[in-house]
Amino acid sequence: GESVGLHLPTLSVQEGDNSIINCAYSNSASDYFIWYKQESGKGPQFIIDIRSNMDKRQGQRVTVLLNKTVKHLSLQIAATQPGDSAVYFCAENGDKVIFGPGTSLSVIP
Amino acid sequence: NAGVTQTPKFRILKIGQSMTLQCAQDMNHNYMYWYRQDPGMGLKLIYYSVGAGITDKGEVPNGYNVSRSTTEDFPLRLELAAPSQTSVYFCASSFGQGAYEQYFGPGTRLTVT
Repeated sequence: GESVGLHLPTLSVQEGDNSIINCAYSNSASDYFIWYKQESGKGPQFIIDIRSNMDKRQGQRVTVLLNKTVKHLSLQIAATQPGDSAVYFCAENGDKVIFGPGTSLSVIP
Repeated sequence: NAGVTQTPKFRILKIGQSMTLQCAQDMNHNYMYWYRQDPGMGLKLIYYSVGAGITDKGEVPNGYNVSRSTTEDFPLRLELAAPSQTSVYFCASSFGQGAYEQYFGPGTRLTVT
């Protein structure tokens, strides 16, 4: 069936290093992808999105890469800061929205 | 704008009790959603609505009911609470389906004992 999954459930990164969070999706008809950040005790918040006609999109310190050939999505965070510690979800928007299980990012000071 | 608001923030229910989780948004969004999030897990869609008067089941609708009488409000009703419904509940809204982000409320932490 359709699914969005993450390769790494937890990730620990030294402050200042770059972080890469991966996501696999199986619905090739999905045409819009979003990364959300969920801080402890809060609801998810939009970080960055990408449409299926793009393979890269950059924001402030974040970059999303989309590889449609292998149905893979990644979120790169540059110069990771303690405030980046959170759970990160990818979501695919096709005929419905499907969220992945999330990756917990811990930043080591 | 207040965005998406949810009440209460916390609630403890006894098995068999009923309650309504409130959700409101002031962004004039057509689409509204209810999710549950179990510890260490992702979001599971309970119900959603594409506009006032229209609701539809999501992935895990059993044990819940919803209504959408106005664009702003989307309450979630638990009729006979069960321990399996212990979770954090998030309400969200979006302008539309497809290429639109969802805006989430702060969540309601529910414990059923």
